[in-house]
Amino acid sequence: DGGITQSPKYLFRKEGQNVTLSCEQNLNHDAMYWYRQDPGQGLRLIYYSQIVNDFQKGDIAEGYSVSREKKESFPLTVTSAQKNPTAFYLCASSIIAGALTDTQYFGPGTRLTVL
Amino acid sequence: AQSVTQLGSHVSVSEGALVLLRCNYSSSVPPYLFWYVQYPNQGLQLLLKYTSAATLVKGINGFEAEFKKSETSFHLTKPSAHMSDAAEYFCAVSVQGAQKLVFGQGTRLTINP
Repeated sequence: DGGITQSPKYLFRKEGQNVTLSCEQNLNHDAMYWYRQDPGQGLRLIYYSQIVNDFQKGDIAEGYSVSREKKESFPLTVTSAQKNPTAFYLCASSIIAGALTDTQYFGPGTRLTVL
Repeated sequence: AQSVTQLGSHVSVSEGALVLLRCNYSSSVPPYLFWYVQYPNQGLQLLLKYTSAATLVKGINGFEAEFKKSETSFHLTKPSAHMSDAAEYFCAVSVQGAQKLVFGQGTRLTINP
């Protein structure tokens, strides 16, 4: 089955630790995205990538980092510089980067809790 | 800047009743609009999208939305609610020149038996 997988589903982190969230897609999509979801705030874009070895900051990139070494993978690292990292993180992909009518397909999400 | 506003963070209807979820957009150029649904602890799934081909857009699970330029609206409707429709619904606009979607704050739909 084609789709987007995110792991782990639940993640617990101690303050001051970096943690990496995995996102893999087998849809052969060019573009990939990371969103953060907080209650009552909708989704906010953290980073996006239109092509391998290239990515751009979204609206709330501070305290996060990404890499895009392979077309199918777009891991997100939440660093200790992120002051309020507890949230639900969603990864998405779309066929063609920059196509305004292109549908974004979402993974099942990772819920990160900082203890 | 392009944006969307969803009126009502929580909507409650009875099973079998009309569902109406409101979305208004702000855009200086013709917008491309989307409705997504999210079930608890899951990702988002596309319900439908407006790409200027037709103002009345039909989606999955019996939902439809009508693009009204004069009202800058793209409200989501379903004639008869089902218990399985209980979820959170997000309206989004595709931002020209920025390669991204901007989401509304979401509307949680509750269905009463």
